[in-house]
Order: sequence, then C-alpha cells, then structure tokens
Amino acid sequence: ILNVEQSPQSLHVQEGDSTNFTCSFPSSNFYALHWYRWETAKSPEALFVMTLNGDEKKKGRISATLNTKEGYSYLYIKGSQPEDSATYLCAFMRASGTYKYIFGTGTRLKVLA
Amino acid sequence: DAGITQSPRHKVTETGTPVTLRCHQTENHRYMYWYRQDPGHGLRLIHYSYGVKDTDKGEVSDGYSVSRSKTEDFLLTLESATSSQTSVYFCAISDYLGYTFGSGTRLTVV
Repeated sequence: ILNVEQSPQSLHVQEGDSTNFTCSFPSSNFYALHWYRWETAKSPEALFVMTLNGDEKKKGRISATLNTKEGYSYLYIKGSQPEDSATYLCAFMRASGTYKYIFGTGTRLKVLA
Repeated sequence: DAGITQSPRHKVTETGTPVTLRCHQTENHRYMYWYRQDPGHGLRLIHYSYGVKDTDKGEVSDGYSVSRSKTEDFLLTLESATSSQTSVYFCAISDYLGYTFGSGTRLTVV
C-alpha cells in the first residue's frame, strides 16, 4: 500500500495570512500528483495537475510546487480569505501501468475573519 | 457536477441487505472509480474500471463488487451491507486534467 501523507491535518489562520501545507509521496516511479479543494458538503474540485519535477502551478492566490526526487509537493495560499476554508487533498499516481490515484487524508484549513 | 451523477443521494438500509449505488457519466471517459470517505481516512479507493467489463480492486474492496456493462454506467454493490460500510461514497471519472467527482451518496447501514 502506498502512503500519501499530508501535513498538517488541520490549521486555523487569520484572514490575510499566507499559509502552506505539504503532501509527501513515494519518490520512485512517479507519474503525477493532483491537488484538490474540497468544501464541506460538496465534491472535491481539481486545482492542479503536476507531472514534472520542479513544476510550479498558480491559480490566483494559490500555487503549488513539486519535487519528485524527494517526494513532496507544497501548496501555498497567499493572503488567505474566509472562502479559502476547505480541505485540501493531494492524490498521487505511480507509473505502474494501473491508472489509479491514492489520496492523502487532507489538510483542513479554516480561515478566520 | 457536470457530466457525472450518482444515485441515490441518500440511503438507509438494514444490515445484511444488498445495496447497489449507481454512477452515470456523459463524458465518455474510459476510467471510472468508486471511493469511500470516512473521518480520518480521507478518500479510499474501493474499485475502479478502465473500460467496459474491465474492473480492478482498490485498497478497500472487501464486501464490494462492481460492474460496468456500458461506458456510461459504473455500479457499486454491497453484497450484504454491514455497519462498517456506513460511509459517504463518491464516484469519479478522470482525464489528464484530473478527477471529476459526483456529488456523493450518503449510505447508512442500521
């Protein structure tokens, strides 16, 4: 069983603070890593697809980086807003021939107004 | 979510009864997945399909079976429901942009 770990499990930040969290995954046979944003009572929504070592992706105030050699990805939120409150999931796929992703348990972010 | 629907949205069933959840897509995607979501575990893969009649097990497949007789439909069956299968079930389809999830089915086994 592959382990995909996310830290921290949860955090509270003040509106306007910048924050970041980590997704750790096996560094061998990397294929792709996804980040998802999951609001309560909704379905997860895709944020980024990352495939190359050194990838950096940005969408508004949210960005992500990827290091496949050491097996981690960071998600950054600049100037957090209350609407950023959600669980952020990462999902990892190994280049094993089977097209399935393994999800981390998520980081639950609460932005306080 | 556009292109993928799950039914039912909510279900309460008794221990020992069979239950079937349906996932329907209009995107003609080859890959379809069933996940369950439980506190402290995130999303765990139950089964997935890579084509009509082509399915494979995920990490928590015991007690579940699936069928895919058409590209657009992926059925998840709990052969004899147990209380440990109380969960929220998500279906998903995927392409190079990532997963698109259904709205989820909340299943309670009493």
